[in-house]
Amino acid sequence: AQSVTQPDIHITVSEGASLELRCNYSYGATPYLFWYVQSPGQGLQLLLKYFSGDTLVQGIKGFEAEFKRSQSSFNLRKPSVHWSDAAEYFCAVYGGTSYGKLTFGQGTILTVHP
Amino acid sequence: KAGVTQTPRYLIKTRGQQVTLSCSPISGHRSVSWYQQTPGQGLQFLFEYFSETQRNKGNFPGRFSGRQFSNSRSEMNVSTLELGDSALYLCASSRATGGMADTQYFGPGTRLTVL
Repeated sequence: AQSVTQPDIHITVSEGASLELRCNYSYGATPYLFWYVQSPGQGLQLLLKYFSGDTLVQGIKGFEAEFKRSQSSFNLRKPSVHWSDAAEYFCAVYGGTSYGKLTFGQGTILTVHP
Repeated sequence: KAGVTQTPRYLIKTRGQQVTLSCSPISGHRSVSWYQQTPGQGLQFLFEYFSETQRNKGNFPGRFSGRQFSNSRSEMNVSTLELGDSALYLCASSRATGGMADTQYFGPGTRLTVL
């Protein structure tokens, strides 16, 4: 069965500082991996996705993530955080044969200090 | 292109009642997935429909059901509501034709409160 672990429940950074959110997955084959962001009371917005090929993927809002098969990780990074990045971030894995089922991590809440 | 829409956005029901939530996918998307989000359990998969057929189902009781119409719009129904059913219900759509087409795009959700 596939699973996702986000080790950090809550991260606080200062505006302008760099950010890395960790994600580890468990899946038997090459997974499809995603990062979504959720503002309070809102739905999930897709930040970026990995399917195959280049292990460094670029997303919206200046985010990027690196797929490391040897570490079963897909960490999200941003070089300089803005106050508007404060939200909850979810890593998710999709197995191509698990029709329509994304498995999510527990989420990481990001707080940004001015 | 319009995004995924969900109606209603907010619902308040009492225990024992039933509720129907609606989801309209992005134009051209044939797959709709439903998720329940709670503070304690996080995001959990309910079921997925593709071309009016349920292809996958999560670990939820039979009180949770759904359907999909020929225009790909989907509804989910919860009967005999319990307090624990209070949650944000999210639907997501995708083209579901493999690879990147399996990317799911989410609606804003329906906030259900059971009193």
